Amino acid sequence: EPEVTQTPSHQVTQMGQEVILRCVPISNHLYFYWYRQILGQKVEFLVSFYNNEISEKSEIFDDQFSVERPDGSNFTLKIRSTKLEDSAMYFCASSERVGGNTGELFFGEGSRLTVL
Amino acid sequence: GDSVTQMEGPVTLSEEAFLTINCTYTATGYPSLFWYVQYPGEGLQLLLKATKADDKGSNKGFEATYRKETTSFHLEKGSVQVSDSAVYFCALILYNTDKLIFGTGTRLQVFP
Repeated sequence: EPEVTQTPSHQVTQMGQEVILRCVPISNHLYFYWYRQILGQKVEFLVSFYNNEISEKSEIFDDQFSVERPDGSNFTLKIRSTKLEDSAMYFCASSERVGGNTGELFFGEGSRLTVL
Repeated sequence: GDSVTQMEGPVTLSEEAFLTINCTYTATGYPSLFWYVQYPGEGLQLLLKATKADDKGSNKGFEATYRKETTSFHLEKGSVQVSDSAVYFCALILYNTDKLIFGTGTRLQVFP
């Protein structure tokens, strides 16, 4: 069964360092997403991406964050200068159509980011 | 704003017990409602969904009914198994938007 894969599963970094989290969405999906979950808190929407551009982003997704689809298969989340509060589990997801029209988002296992 | 509230966990049950995990929502429009499940070491998986009032979503013995009058979408299962141990997330999405809004998740632990 097709699945969304994420790497790394866990990354530890120093505050101020750049981090790139990688995702391979399901191959025929057109919509891509990043969510995150700070320990003990809700899963929060960060950004959605369609047709090589951001379609929606939350207030969390500030200038420190960026996304791109560099080669038609990978979908990456970059954090330019990590802060302690960026420590969280980051989930990538993909869907065939706009999430609100089907609700079927397929999620990866998550990448745990720890900022020291 | 739009939000989802679900009961705190963990919920600890013996095998074959009845399960209820409460979920209520606040939404400006007419959302679709979902339950996602995360088994240990895995990603979030869609468990069931309901797209309009009075719809009942069901899968793997789990059920939830979209109750507009009480703005609720409680998850139920008549007889849980050890393999149901996981974290369950209630979520909503508004039509034609990209953003799933999640609750905090409820951990279910089922013991033999």
